[in-house]
Amino acid sequence: GIQVEQSPPDLILQEGANSTLRCNFSDSVNNLQWFHQNPWGQLINLFYIPSGTKQNGRLSATTVATERYSLLYISSSQTTDSGVYFCAVRLGLFGTGTRLQVFP
Amino acid sequence: NAGVTQTPKFQVLKTGQSMTLQCAQDMNHEYMSWYRQDPGMGLRLIHYSVGAGITDQGEVPNGYNVSRSTTEDFPLRLLSAAPSQTSVYFCASSYSAGGIGYTFGSGTRLTVV
Repeated sequence: GIQVEQSPPDLILQEGANSTLRCNFSDSVNNLQWFHQNPWGQLINLFYIPSGTKQNGRLSATTVATERYSLLYISSSQTTDSGVYFCAVRLGLFGTGTRLQVFP
Repeated sequence: NAGVTQTPKFQVLKTGQSMTLQCAQDMNHEYMSWYRQDPGMGLRLIHYSVGAGITDQGEVPNGYNVSRSTTEDFPLRLLSAAPSQTSVYFCASSYSAGGIGYTFGSGTRLTVV
């Protein structure tokens, strides 16, 4: 089956820094989403991005389906960005997650 | 507000007890699914449904049953609780198997003693 890997597993930033999170998948996919799980456990859908680039405020995402990866960019990070970021390629198939900690 | 509602938010069970975790959505999504998340881990699919009357097993189905009698509701039943089922349970719904409109409930934190 398809393998989904995320990197880095952990990321520690100071407020204001930029970061790039990566999601690699082992086979072609038709769907890709990014989620943020905040420190209280709530899972929030950030982007549905099977291909191309989307932006929402300080966050943007790019998926290059032909090369089997997706990137999530966080600019000018804030403490509220802390949590775990997951990518998912279909129902039930999530990546391993990147744990982000942003310090003031 | 539209979304996925899970009840209860917290539950403590004794080993061997049974219970049902409730999940309801009001977005007319066909796809619904249950996940468990163990500490420091990702999400593992327990069961899913592609529409009323249709359910299937996910990655970790043992010890759990589901049914889908209506589009809105997708309850998860623990048949005989075991300490290994201590976890946080999330219900999710979406328009498609690919996850368009994927929305999660707020979770149920279950402890089995």
